[in-house]
Amino acid sequence: DTGVSQNPRHKITKRGQNVTFRCDPISEHNRLYWYRQTLGQGPEFLTYFQNEAQLEKSRLLSDRFSAERPKGSFSTLEIQRTEQGDSAMYLCASRRNSAPEAFFGQGTRLTVV
Amino acid sequence: KQEVTQIPAALSVPEGENLVLNCSFTDSAIYNLQWFRQDPGKGLTSLLLIQSSQREQTSGRLNASLDKSSGRSTLYIAASQPGDSATYLCAAVSDNMLTFGGGTRLMVKP
Repeated sequence: DTGVSQNPRHKITKRGQNVTFRCDPISEHNRLYWYRQTLGQGPEFLTYFQNEAQLEKSRLLSDRFSAERPKGSFSTLEIQRTEQGDSAMYLCASRRNSAPEAFFGQGTRLTVV
Repeated sequence: KQEVTQIPAALSVPEGENLVLNCSFTDSAIYNLQWFRQDPGKGLTSLLLIQSSQREQTSGRLNASLDKSSGRSTLYIAASQPGDSATYLCAAVSDNMLTFGGGTRLMVKP
């Protein structure tokens, strides 16, 4: 296993711009999660995929946010019309259906200026 | 809705001390309880996972216990070292998500 991979690691963007992040889960991990973490807080759930199906979305995921996992492998998280309040670490995790342990990537740090 | 609380929020100890981090959760209908370590600006590293049918798990100097009926888990760190300095997060795991506490920031002083 090469681990969960997230790109980019850092992103600085101007308010109002769109950004897209990518997550490559561990091979053969069916479940994929996105979380957001602000400074000094625990991660907050955003959304969850079982293969390509998006099965759960948090109320935190406003209509400016969209996530996809088109072929049940990698996933993207897009934020449209970014706001300063979107500045956070965005974390991706994956796990197998048959194994309980979740593994996280290194995250993408977003700064909206 | 599951809520997870970690106490204390921050802890500073001298090297060599044994310490206990606490995690409580409101909904006992969990599948697992997972402990993570997070270094500043980094992702989460899984430390221990306790399945709902288990009472504890051990890895090296770490021991985690789970009491579902009281909604509590503890992470015990033996003989702490400066390299243990990090934020420790617990997560209550249900079928479709992990719910995290706010973390305990640990500083181990040489």
